[in-house]
Amino acid sequence: GENVEQHPSTLSVQEGDSAVIKCTYSDSASNYFPWYKQELGKRPQLIIDIRSNVGEKKDQRIAVTLNKTAKHFSLHITETQPEDSAVYFCAASRGGNNRLAFGKGNQVVVIP
Amino acid sequence: DAGITQSPRHKVTETGTPVTLRCHQTENHRYMYWYRQDPGHGLRLIHYSYGVKDTDKGEVSDGYSVSRSKTEDFLLTLESATSSQTSVYFCAISTGATDTQYFGPGTRLTVL
Repeated sequence: GENVEQHPSTLSVQEGDSAVIKCTYSDSASNYFPWYKQELGKRPQLIIDIRSNVGEKKDQRIAVTLNKTAKHFSLHITETQPEDSAVYFCAASRGGNNRLAFGKGNQVVVIP
Repeated sequence: DAGITQSPRHKVTETGTPVTLRCHQTENHRYMYWYRQDPGHGLRLIHYSYGVKDTDKGEVSDGYSVSRSKTEDFLLTLESATSSQTSVYFCAISTGATDTQYFGPGTRLTVL
């Protein structure tokens, strides 16, 4: 089955700087890649997703890029703010409501 | 929050007792999922359902069973709870029109 890995496990950034989290996946048939943000004690919340027919997608300070050849996709957060501090999970699936395979999560800490 | 509720939100039980967790949705979505979340493991799929009475196993299904007799309810049962099943359990739904999954608020289960 699909195997998704996230790097680095913990990322500390100064407020206002950018943060980048990278995920790699193993199944070349995967075509749907969501990112979730989870604050302490809360549910995972979808923040952005991308499909394999698109190389990049942006939503305000958040962007996701996809490299199908290398089988990796990345989350970019610009102008980080303290409220960006959370655990971020990437996931991958073949679509068609096939199962999502999640990475183990990255802790992002934004230092004021 | 996609109209998803979980009950109970917290439960403490003893080893060997049966436990049932309930996921309820109000929007008639076809797909429902049960995950467990543990430190260092991210989100792991236990079971999922693609319709009434249609269910299938995920990657960590041993010791768990599910039932879906109505579209709105997806039940997760631990027949004989063990300490290794202490975890936070999340239910998720998918609309079927897209691959996006939305999570419920979670249930924290402690097995003593």
